Amino acid sequence: DIQMTQSPSSLSASVGDRVTITCRASQDISNYVAWYQQKPGKVPKLLIYAASTLQSGVPSRFSGGGSGTDFTLTISSLQPEDVATYYCQKYNSAPFTFGPGTKVDFK
Amino acid sequence: EVQLVESGGGLVKPGGSLRLSCAASGFTFSSYNMNWVRQAPGKGPEWVSSISSGTNYIYYADSVKGRFTISRDNAKNSLYLQMNSLRAEDTAVYYCARSGLSRYYFDYWGQGTLVTVSS
Repeated sequence: DIQMTQSPSSLSASVGDRVTITCRASQDISNYVAWYQQKPGKVPKLLIYAASTLQSGVPSRFSGGGSGTDFTLTISSLQPEDVATYYCQKYNSAPFTFGPGTKVDFK
Repeated sequence: EVQLVESGGGLVKPGGSLRLSCAASGFTFSSYNMNWVRQAPGKGPEWVSSISSGTNYIYYADSVKGRFTISRDNAKNSLYLQMNSLRAEDTAVYYCARSGLSRYYFDYWGQGTLVTVSS
C-alpha cells in the first residue's frame, strides 16, 4: 500500500506568518490528494481536493500544490482561527489513507 | 443543507457486534459514493470503508476486512456499517462522510458516533 507522510509533525508560528506543510506519498498518486483541517473537539473539514482546488467557502489564504509524490498546503497569512491539525489524504485508489497530521499552533 | 446523522454507537464487549446507521438529507443520496471514517481518541482519522452510489464498488481497510460490512439503502437515504468481532482497537468515533465528485475524498462529515469496545 502507498504510505503518506507529513512534515513537520508540528509547528509554531506567529499571526501573519506564511506556513507550509508538506505531504509525501510513497508512490506516484498524480493529483489525488485532499487536505483537511481539524480543530480541537471538532469534525475534520475539507480544505482542498485535487491537490490544489479550494473547497467552496474556504478562505483564499489556503492553497495547495504539487503532483506525483510531493504536495504542499500553504497558509499565506496565519490567522488565530487556523490553530488546528492538518491532514493530507490520498484517494487515487483504495486504501484512502490519511497522513499522520501536522499540528499548527502559535508561538 | 447537507446533513449526515450517525447513530448506533455504544459500549460493547470484545467479540461483540454493533450496527451503525447514517441518515442523509439535503442532497441526492443515491448519486453519491459514501464512506465511514473513524478516529480513535487522540489519533488522526482512519478511513474504514467506502461504497459507490450504486453499490457496484465496495472497499475496506485491511484492519476491518472480514469483520465489517458496509451497505446502503438509497430508498431510505441511509448508510450502514455492520461491525462484528469487535476489538479494543476498534474503539473510536465513527464518522459517516460523503464523497466529493465521484471520488473518495470527503466533502461533508457527520458529527460522529462513539464506539467503545471494552470488557
